Amino acid sequence: GDSVTQMEGPVTLSEEAFLTINCTYTATGYPSLFWYVQYPGEGLQLLLKATKADDKGSNKGFEATYRKETTSFHLEKGSVQVSDSAVYFCARQSGSARQLTFGSGTQLTVLP
Amino acid sequence: DAGVIQSPRHEVTEMGQEVTLRCKPISGHNSLFWYRQTMMRGLELLIYFNNNVPIDDSGMPEDRFSAKMPNASFSTLKIQPSEPRDSAVYFCASRTLGTKSNEQFFGPGTRLTVL
Repeated sequence: GDSVTQMEGPVTLSEEAFLTINCTYTATGYPSLFWYVQYPGEGLQLLLKATKADDKGSNKGFEATYRKETTSFHLEKGSVQVSDSAVYFCARQSGSARQLTFGSGTQLTVLP
Repeated sequence: DAGVIQSPRHEVTEMGQEVTLRCKPISGHNSLFWYRQTMMRGLELLIYFNNNVPIDDSGMPEDRFSAKMPNASFSTLKIQPSEPRDSAVYFCASRTLGTKSNEQFFGPGTRLTVL
């Protein structure tokens, strides 16, 4: 079935460090891909998305490129801030009704 | 827009009691999802509705769990009887059917503790 595999955490970085969180998906069809972020005590929020191959989603300094050849959608940010500390979820569109399948989440902690 | 509204935000109950979680989706959205989040299992889809009709409930753990959507602006997730292993954060999400982006909007969650 459809699945999403993302880098296990936790990830701890210093402020202004470069961030990469890896995400790969099963190559069934041509799904839309998403990154969601969950801040402490809150629900998930959409961070960015890409709907077709080679699209780059971007928001708040975060970027991810839809790579069909490697079935990947890695999340990157050039300079993280303490306020980026959160759990990040990769997700793909799934099923005939196009619901979402989420990865296991990666906890990011950014230290000042 | 108030976003997806869930109540209660926190619920503490004793094993064997009935628990009812409530969700009000974003006005105009016609698809609603219930998720459960735990440390061990991550984020799991329990059930989802399109136009108030349950489409896929294969994620519902067992018969103790039931969900209803009597109208477009309200849904409930009921656990009867509750057990300690049901302790988790339960999220409701909604979206508009037919949009290519498929974005789901999540509520703040209900943190359930069953003692």
